[in-house]
Amino acid sequence: GIQVEQSPPDLILQEGANSTLRCNFSDSVNNLQWFHQNPWGQLINLFYIPSGTKQNGRLSATTVATERYSLLYISSSQTTDSGVYFCAVERGTGANNLFFGTGTRLTVIP
Amino acid sequence: GAVVSQHPSRVICKSGTSVKIECRSLDFQATTMFWYRQFPKQSLMLMATSNEGSKATYEQGVEKDKFLINHASLTLSTLTVTSAHPEDSSFYICSAPLASSTGELFFGEGSRLTVL
Repeated sequence: GIQVEQSPPDLILQEGANSTLRCNFSDSVNNLQWFHQNPWGQLINLFYIPSGTKQNGRLSATTVATERYSLLYISSSQTTDSGVYFCAVERGTGANNLFFGTGTRLTVIP
Repeated sequence: GAVVSQHPSRVICKSGTSVKIECRSLDFQATTMFWYRQFPKQSLMLMATSNEGSKATYEQGVEKDKFLINHASLTLSTLTVTSAHPEDSSFYICSAPLASSTGELFFGEGSRLTVL
């Protein structure tokens, strides 16, 4: 099956710092989404980004499908950004389901 | 925006009992929903695809007789953990695509199951 690897696995930032999270996938994909899982377990949709670049406030994402990776940028981090960030990809079978990466646990300290 | 809701958010049960978790799409119809399981400090693993009006499709290694899925309507899928054991304790999350054209998935709040 498809492999989805994220790096780094853990990241500690000082409030106000910037960061880049990476997602590598082993096969071509139809769709790719980034999520933030908050401490209560809720998955928050960040980006639906099978290709190209999108920005939403302090967050932006870029997916280069031909090179099988996606990047999530967090600028001016805040303590509320803490949590686990997942990328997830659809296998390309048209089934609409997502396979999740290994996750990056982000801790932003004041 | 699209909302997917799960109930209950937390459930504690005794070993050997069955537990039902509901997943509803609140403002859109979903012919397909997906059930995931997440163990502590791990990623989400797809368990099964719930199909409205037909049998669910299970991922390899997931026991269909253990995890019964019923997709009775276009807005409701249920997951029943039968004869639950402590090793079934986990965080169960459902999701649904907003529209087949985009495929973007939205997730419920999750249901934390603890089996004593």
